[in-house]
Amino acid sequence: DQQVKQNSPSLSVQEGRISILNCDYTNSMFDYFLWYKKYPAEGPTFLISISSIKDKNEDGRFTVFLNKSAKHLSLHIVPSQPGDSAVYFCAARPHYGGSQGNLIFGKGTKLSVKP
Amino acid sequence: IAGITQAPTSQILAAGRRMTLRCTQDMRHNAMYWYRQDLGLGLRLIHYSNTAGTTGKGEVPDGYSVSRANTDDFPLTLASAVPSQTSVYFCASSALGGAGEQFFGPGTRLTVL
Repeated sequence: DQQVKQNSPSLSVQEGRISILNCDYTNSMFDYFLWYKKYPAEGPTFLISISSIKDKNEDGRFTVFLNKSAKHLSLHIVPSQPGDSAVYFCAARPHYGGSQGNLIFGKGTKLSVKP
Repeated sequence: IAGITQAPTSQILAAGRRMTLRCTQDMRHNAMYWYRQDLGLGLRLIHYSNTAGTTGKGEVPDGYSVSRANTDDFPLTLASAVPSQTSVYFCASSALGGAGEQFFGPGTRLTVL
């Protein structure tokens, strides 16, 4: 059973507009959520994270929102640029008692930003 | 070296052959990981190591083995490759604490015929 779900395999957005990538999770024991960006033929690169005790984290054009009651997080990219075209992975870190678990990744959403 | 390196970049392998994928990091991270990425399935954890001398099984460990003799190196071995192991393999590392962000290598594209 998937604990981290990215239900949209792909998303297409016009340059300059907002891109919103969504992620849902089922486990209440996650203490951090992370977003990764992956270009073809490269490894994923860390983009931004958010602690479960916060509801928003912003870094330049990238903002992550966390809605714990809905078990939902989203990554907003404003304004979107063609260079943002990539696959975006949502990941969550379980926290059990005093120990951290390994990251659990969603299946990814391919973002295409059109000029 | 800066970050994580993986070797080879790509490999075509006959079924039944043994293969070791190499991974080296220079960030002195305690933890290291091996993932495979398959279309539509995202990143799936094969094996991990929280510190030198220890290893653990991830989501899809069957057919793979790892060792962690020192902090920097974390090789992944396929003892007898099968076509279902055709995939892109990523090695990653992370420091303890913080958000647990992992740093990934460039990947190895493996084709088993």
